[in-house]
Amino acid sequence: AQSVAQPEDQVNVAEGNPLTVKCTYSVSGNPYLFWYVQYPNRGLQFLLKYITGDNLVKGSYGFEAEFNKSQTSFHLKKPSALVSDSALYFCAVRDGGDYKLSFGAGTTVTVRA
Amino acid sequence: NAGVTQTPKFRVLKTGQSMTLLCAQDMNHEYMYWYRQDPGMGLRLIHYSVGEGTTAKGEVPDGYNVSRLKKQNFLLGLESAAPSQTSVYFCASSYSSFDEQFFGPGTRLTVL
Repeated sequence: AQSVAQPEDQVNVAEGNPLTVKCTYSVSGNPYLFWYVQYPNRGLQFLLKYITGDNLVKGSYGFEAEFNKSQTSFHLKKPSALVSDSALYFCAVRDGGDYKLSFGAGTTVTVRA
Repeated sequence: NAGVTQTPKFRVLKTGQSMTLLCAQDMNHEYMYWYRQDPGMGLRLIHYSVGEGTTAKGEVPDGYNVSRLKKQNFLLGLESAAPSQTSVYFCASSYSSFDEQFFGPGTRLTVL
């Protein structure tokens, strides 16, 4: 069975400060990890993914994420947050042998001006 | 390209009524998915399809049926709606199971 945990319901940061959204996962095989963002009343948009290779993955809008196998984590980061980054962020995992993605409950990010 | 589109955007049903949600994609993707989103629960997979003519159950399939008669379309049916099916429904598609999923704008369904 595969699962994802996003331990923080909300993250609040000031504009210009670093932003981190945490994600831990559990799979029986090799993990395929994804981050998505959802703006109000919109569908999810893909940010980045880790399949294999370099543990540091760069994605859209200046976001990056670091895959840490020993800690089973895939935290999303942005060096300097913008007010426009305020949204709901989802981490998702797929076990290597499965077709399905499992999503975390989501983390609401608020960036204040 | 329109990407992934969903019809309708909003719907209100009475308990026991039936309806069909339509998802269409123009990216020639093999994989299509139906999710429901409820507050604090993330997205939960209802059914999915790995190709035309195939469907499979996801995490929460009870009360729903699906069909994939054409590659570009994936239909989600509710035969007898219940208040517990009040949710926002998202369709998604992907080229393969390794690739990112592209999501539609969602359908907000209320069952009274």
